[in-house]
Amino acid sequence: DTEVTQTPKHLVMGMTNKKSLKCEQHMGHRAMYWYKQKAKKPPELMFVYSYEKLSINESVPSRFSPECPNSSLLNLHLHALQPEDSALYLCASSQLALEATATDTQYFGPGTRLTVL
Amino acid sequence: GIQVEQSPPDLILQEGANSTLRCNFSDSVNNLQWFHQNPWGQLINLFYIPSGTKQNGRLSATTVATERYSLLYISSSQTTDSGVYFCAVSSGGYQKVTFGTGTKLQVIP
Repeated sequence: DTEVTQTPKHLVMGMTNKKSLKCEQHMGHRAMYWYKQKAKKPPELMFVYSYEKLSINESVPSRFSPECPNSSLLNLHLHALQPEDSALYLCASSQLALEATATDTQYFGPGTRLTVL
Repeated sequence: GIQVEQSPPDLILQEGANSTLRCNFSDSVNNLQWFHQNPWGQLINLFYIPSGTKQNGRLSATTVATERYSLLYISSSQTTDSGVYFCAVSSGGYQKVTFGTGTKLQVIP
């Protein structure tokens, strides 16, 4: 099974709302990622968890709060977002290559399309 | 940070034609992947290819790490090949991934 699932598929929220995005994988991968993709742009890395610990935070505003409850789940908590945060949010996972000869192919979920009003 | 440029930015092909997409990167990398993003946003991994050549059906890829570029070849293109093709690289740590600027491909019947 090479599937990464994300819920919800679509989300509309106001600037005062609190919502969460969820991501799940059952491939035994130990690295999980959040990306943000604006229309007609490439995905931009936001956060990386390695062995359930936050290993990379690409200077993302604190209104985005990631959480990795266990090795299969990744959440992104949203609070007080701005309209410019509207985008496709993509989750990915990989095996976590620690050696130069290992592969670290990333598998992506279908994404959550977020609209902030 | 590392810069990743792809060319051409847009490409229109007649069905059955062949094409070559290019990815240039500004620093040495330890990980390079090619992805296809379909019109619904799903990213599919095509190749994991930090160096060398790989083939998968009508697709093949070559990475020349010493010269900092990678090529994706699509032969006998089909309408289902339409979408955006991205290369993505890691420099330093494997998990710090930077996506290229993308090539939007449209295959017309």
